[in-house]
Amino acid sequence: ETGVTQSPTHLIKTRGQQVTLRCSSQSGHNTVSWYQQALGQGPQFIFQYYREEENGRGNFPPRFSGLQFPNYSSELNVNALELDDSALYLCASRDTMTGTGNTEAFFGQGTRLTVV
Amino acid sequence: GQQVMQIPQYQHVQEGEDFTTYCNSSTTLSNIQWYKQRPGGHPVFLIQLVKSGEVKKQKRLTFQFGEAKKNSSLHITATQTTDVGTYFCAGRKDYKLSFGAGTTVTVRA
Repeated sequence: ETGVTQSPTHLIKTRGQQVTLRCSSQSGHNTVSWYQQALGQGPQFIFQYYREEENGRGNFPPRFSGLQFPNYSSELNVNALELDDSALYLCASRDTMTGTGNTEAFFGQGTRLTVV
Repeated sequence: GQQVMQIPQYQHVQEGEDFTTYCNSSTTLSNIQWYKQRPGGHPVFLIQLVKSGEVKKQKRLTFQFGEAKKNSSLHITATQTTDVGTYFCAGRKDYKLSFGAGTTVTVRA
């Protein structure tokens, strides 16, 4: 086990709804990244939070937003859900000096979101 | 933007044989990481390569990082049924970790 926990493990939402996914980082890890993994594809980088601020973002629209809390846990919020948002959402935590650097990322087990 | 390409997409291997999966980045990387994901599971970290030309071994797995820090390979010898899964390479540049599409490995006993 990596020490990174995500909740819920599975979720079904209706198109147009909003969803919040949660991630508890491994102890001491100050950097959290979120990824979207569609079926049969590799994880796609959504954004990264370092010390409660977003410091990097992939090619995802603004309706994908996030938060990081003082204890380094994190949330991913998705508004106006679309059918194509159905995927496995992964968070990964690591310890960095500035949000970059060569440190290993530890992944949680993911939240499988289905939008109907 | 940064892109990481991985081939082949599928690898069907006879138990006991060797195979290699290849990873190429459009940009120079800070490091490259390899992950294994079993069906229904999440990516599990295997190894990280940082230095140009670096080679690391884990039992039957050999990982290489190219001299230009833009490509990498994973070679598995004497494939076993426990090697089944999808192997991803992921290249890091600054804050971003970009994953390849993965090589899905099946093993014929």
